[in-house]
Amino acid sequence: DAGVIQSPRHEVTEMGQEVTLRCKPISGHDYLFWYRQTMMRGLELLIYFNNNVPIDDSGMPEDRFSAKMPNASFSTLKIQPSEPRDSAVYFCASSRTGYTGELFFGEGSRLTVL
Amino acid sequence: KNQVEQSPQSLIILEGKNCTLQCNYTVSPFSNLRWYKQDTGRGPVSLTIMTFSENTKSNGRYTATLDADTKQSSLHITASQLSDSASYICVVSAPITSGTYKYIFGTGTRLKVLA
Repeated sequence: DAGVIQSPRHEVTEMGQEVTLRCKPISGHDYLFWYRQTMMRGLELLIYFNNNVPIDDSGMPEDRFSAKMPNASFSTLKIQPSEPRDSAVYFCASSRTGYTGELFFGEGSRLTVL
Repeated sequence: KNQVEQSPQSLIILEGKNCTLQCNYTVSPFSNLRWYKQDTGRGPVSLTIMTFSENTKSNGRYTATLDADTKQSSLHITASQLSDSASYICVVSAPITSGTYKYIFGTGTRLKVLA
């Protein structure tokens, strides 16, 4: 299996621009998670899906952030408009059995907002 | 409040030496505890999983211990190698409702192994 695939690996944009991050989970995994990682706060859960349905989005910072999972093999995290404080590494992870199962992480998308 | 604290924050050791990383948690109830290794610029990868009834588990040169009474876990690395240089993250999962769980992440320990 190719593992969790994220794109882009690196994104540099200017404040106010829209950013879209993409994720393809491992086939057969029914849970998908979006995390944000910074030096100060470590890994923070933004949102997670079960069978393409958002279950908990309480970690989404504000209305500028939105996530979708139109099918079992694709998810997006969108930031509009982006701000410098959104600069971080965004990870997508998938799991077969939910929270008790192992999380398989993608390589991350490093976002820099100037 | 459910928390996971790791120590030390960073550690530098010489190649071939052993080291021990600590994880203390206040999560209750508790489902399991995992140690993840995160290489620079990569995503975290699971090393071990510990459930409530397990005290020790090994994965090659990595040995994890769990004391559920004191809510402490440790990750011991034997005969360190340059490739062990990474961040090590302790993650505790906790049930929040029937069939639903939550992961609580520690902030990690940065290990640097020098030649």
